[in-house]
Amino acid sequence: QVQLQESGPGLVKPSETLSLTCTVSAGSIRSYYWSWIRQPPGKGLEWIGYVYNIANTKYNPSLRSRVTISADTSRDQVSLRVTSVTAADTAVYFCARGFGDYLFDSWGRGTLVTVSS
Amino acid sequence: DIQMTQSPSSLSASVGDRVTITCRASQRITNFLNWYQHKPGKAPKFLIYAASNLQSGVPSRFSGSGSGTDFTLTISGLQPEDFATYYCQQGYTSPYTFGQGTRLEIK
Repeated sequence: QVQLQESGPGLVKPSETLSLTCTVSAGSIRSYYWSWIRQPPGKGLEWIGYVYNIANTKYNPSLRSRVTISADTSRDQVSLRVTSVTAADTAVYFCARGFGDYLFDSWGRGTLVTVSS
Repeated sequence: DIQMTQSPSSLSASVGDRVTITCRASQRITNFLNWYQHKPGKAPKFLIYAASNLQSGVPSRFSGSGSGTDFTLTISGLQPEDFATYYCQQGYTSPYTFGQGTRLEIK
């Protein structure tokens, strides 16, 4: 059964770049959609975007100008970068897999990222 | 963006009860509606896709229905492990959006 593990700094300063990695175990990242989803404290889930077959990406328009999602098939890792972060980017960030672009069939446990000076 | 509204936002029930959670979309989404279960500190679990199709391995006490704008998730015969937060999600059009969640608590 595939397992997903998010990793990265838990604290990022305002205006800097948030970078997270999702490591996929017991499965290849090829031929699946890999999304990032976040949940600010006390708020709902927000889809950030996905990467598919390495080169195909789609992003939430609300974040598109600041977000990059990429995939490394040699390491079975999916990465997220969010530039120019503010306190509003404080959230638990989840990595999720989908066999279609519109659903998420496996998730990681999430990692909390706090934006603060 | 399509807004997803769940009701109730929280629900208290007992083991063995039958509970229903409702999800309403702000526009028609045919059957592009998925359900998830989330427990604190755990990975969210995928339960139902395309409104009524049970994901492999999900117990048959879970069921989903609906089409268009109105959808329901029903749990028949609550088990202790079912107490969690449940989210609906529309996959009809990007950006994919979630309901605000329904917290199911033990009475």
